[in-house]
Amino acid sequence: GAVVSQHPSWVICKSGTSVKIECRSLDFQATTMFWYRQFPKQSLMLMATSNEGSKATYEQGVEKDKFLINHASLTLSTLTVTSAHPEDSSFYICSARDVTGTGDYEQYFGPGTRLTVT
Amino acid sequence: GDSVTQMEGPVTLSEEAFLTINCTYTATGYPSLFWYVQYPGEGLQLLLKATKADDKGSNKGFEATYRKETTSFHLEKGSVQVSDSAVYFCALSDRGGTYKYIFGTGTRLKVLA
Repeated sequence: GAVVSQHPSWVICKSGTSVKIECRSLDFQATTMFWYRQFPKQSLMLMATSNEGSKATYEQGVEKDKFLINHASLTLSTLTVTSAHPEDSSFYICSARDVTGTGDYEQYFGPGTRLTVT
Repeated sequence: GDSVTQMEGPVTLSEEAFLTINCTYTATGYPSLFWYVQYPGEGLQLLLKATKADDKGSNKGFEATYRKETTSFHLEKGSVQVSDSAVYFCALSDRGGTYKYIFGTGTRLKVLA
């Protein structure tokens, strides 16, 4: 149980185009999903917290207009990188918290999406 | 604010050696603590967790004990295998309602045959 998928697993796009990454909770409902960015050999940086039916909460320094997040349902959140540039190339990882969470505050992570902007 | 500090890597060990990866935290409340493992090119997998003081999390031969008095959650394994080579992340989850995770910097482990 508690499986989170991401699609695509990797994507190459040209500079200036937009890319959408999907994060789905497959066997549970998630009112809260998180989007992280990971640079090579570095830790995860929380970009934003996505709440179903409301606007995402972005961490300081993350451009809201650059990284659009939509949490349209209890099983799907999307991250759209708009007008992508090479510096946006990174590994993007989402996680989800089970709405029936027992209180131990565990997040379930997706396998990640590698974005390369050329 | 809350933070997690992990020992610097990389850590290189021979197969069957004893492993310790140190993790300490600072938190204003009583966080839940986690160890995650990341294999090359993959996402994070939960290795073990502890939700209150003196809890011991264990999985696949790995153990960590939630030590409130020393604010630590050190990861240990008695006998590592080549397949344990990965990056290990210590994390805490705040209980203040945001459910955010704060990650340590990660420790790369390389086990040699």
